[in-house]
Amino acid sequence: GDSVTQTEGQVTVSESKSLIINCTYSTTSIAYPNLFWYVRYPGEGLQLLLKVITAGQKGSSRGFEATYNKETTSFHLQKASVQESDSAVYYCALGEGTNAYKVIFGKGTHLHVLP
Amino acid sequence: EAAVTQSPRNKVTVTGGNVTLSCRQTNSHNYMYWYRQDTGHGLRLIHYSYGAGNLQIGDVPDGYKATRTTQEDFFLLLELASPSQTSLYFCASSGTGAGNTLYFGEGSRLIVV
Repeated sequence: GDSVTQTEGQVTVSESKSLIINCTYSTTSIAYPNLFWYVRYPGEGLQLLLKVITAGQKGSSRGFEATYNKETTSFHLQKASVQESDSAVYYCALGEGTNAYKVIFGKGTHLHVLP
Repeated sequence: EAAVTQSPRNKVTVTGGNVTLSCRQTNSHNYMYWYRQDTGHGLRLIHYSYGAGNLQIGDVPDGYKATRTTQEDFFLLLELASPSQTSLYFCASSGTGAGNTLYFGEGSRLIVV
């Protein structure tokens, strides 16, 4: 089957420090998966942070970056210097471009940034 | 900007009760979805629809019905609510084509006591 595994639970980082949230995926049914990071800020719904649909490409948004690595089946989320406002839950997701419904989410990683 | 609105935002009901969660999108999207989010799980798809009158079964449909009355409106129905359906429910919409981005509502927290 298809699955997404990401850093579990809560990650605590001090403001201005670097961050990496690991994400790996496995798929047997999607030939050319699209990869996403969604973010949910407190009291809000999920929103797209970044997406990459081509292997080898990097996506970036709000200082976050993630590179689609087909060889290691990874899509790690990184930021060089986090801010307190980055505190949120981050979800890695795997989707199939042609079938809109087929999106597999990781369990979510709660980022807590200390001031 | 894309907009998905859910109601109610919070709901408490008793076991065996009847609950309807509502979702409206103003994105002119064809696809709409209902997910549930539980601790220790990613978002899990309950039902989805690709147009008015259409309904497709997701990955965790047991105990849920859904209805898409218009392109804008998608409802999730729990006719005999159980404590196992205590969860945070998200509605989402998307267009068609490659790299579909999901646009989410703010969530509806349901507690079944």
